Amino acid sequence: EVQVVESGGGLVQPGESLRLSCAASGFTFSTYAMSWVRQAPGKGLEWVSGVSGNGGSTSYVDSVKGRFTISRDNSRNTLYLQMNSLRAEDTAIYYCAKEDGSSLRDYFDYWGQGTLVTVSS
Amino acid sequence: DIQMTQSPSTLSASVGDKVTITCRASQSISSWLAWYQQKPGKAPKLLIYKSSSLESGVPSRFSGGGSGTEFTLTISSLQPDDFATYYCQQYTSYSRTFGQGTKVEI
Repeated sequence: EVQVVESGGGLVQPGESLRLSCAASGFTFSTYAMSWVRQAPGKGLEWVSGVSGNGGSTSYVDSVKGRFTISRDNSRNTLYLQMNSLRAEDTAIYYCAKEDGSSLRDYFDYWGQGTLVTVSS
Repeated sequence: DIQMTQSPSTLSASVGDKVTITCRASQSISSWLAWYQQKPGKAPKLLIYKSSSLESGVPSRFSGGGSGTEFTLTISSLQPDDFATYYCQQYTSYSRTFGQGTKVEI
């Protein structure tokens, strides 16, 4: 059974950093691209960042470029999102999502339950 | 970035109704479109991919169609479990984008 489980969310002040993790199981992790998708309170879904199966290619939404870094450790079946210089508008539930392929141009077939990040002073 | 626009934003319906949600892309995305269902407090769930392919385990009352810039999600006979918010998503570019969502309510 495919499972992805996020952790690392919490309350931080503006300008601070946070690292999210996503532990994956039930599939060959290194074969598939992975993404982070967020949802601000009461709002819609926003794709944030993606990484290819071997970690060699990454992509980001413009609003987080230069502040967030996505990475993966295929030996630990774990996806990460390092978030620096956090802003109030980054407040959201962050979902880890498995992509259906390796290309970074796919849909998301499995989602975690999400981890809440709150940026507030 | 490719903009995705759903209509309507909210849809009031009854059990047994046929429901159609429309999603329009700001440029052609061929058939690279997916649909998701999200219930309050839960993660999104994949329903449809490649415009019209039904994900395994999804009831056959859900169907998708369209290509280019205009797409539809149809629920042939609305069931109590279908009251939720639905999102379309394009995946023709590295920067994936979602529609703003359509809430299906009683």
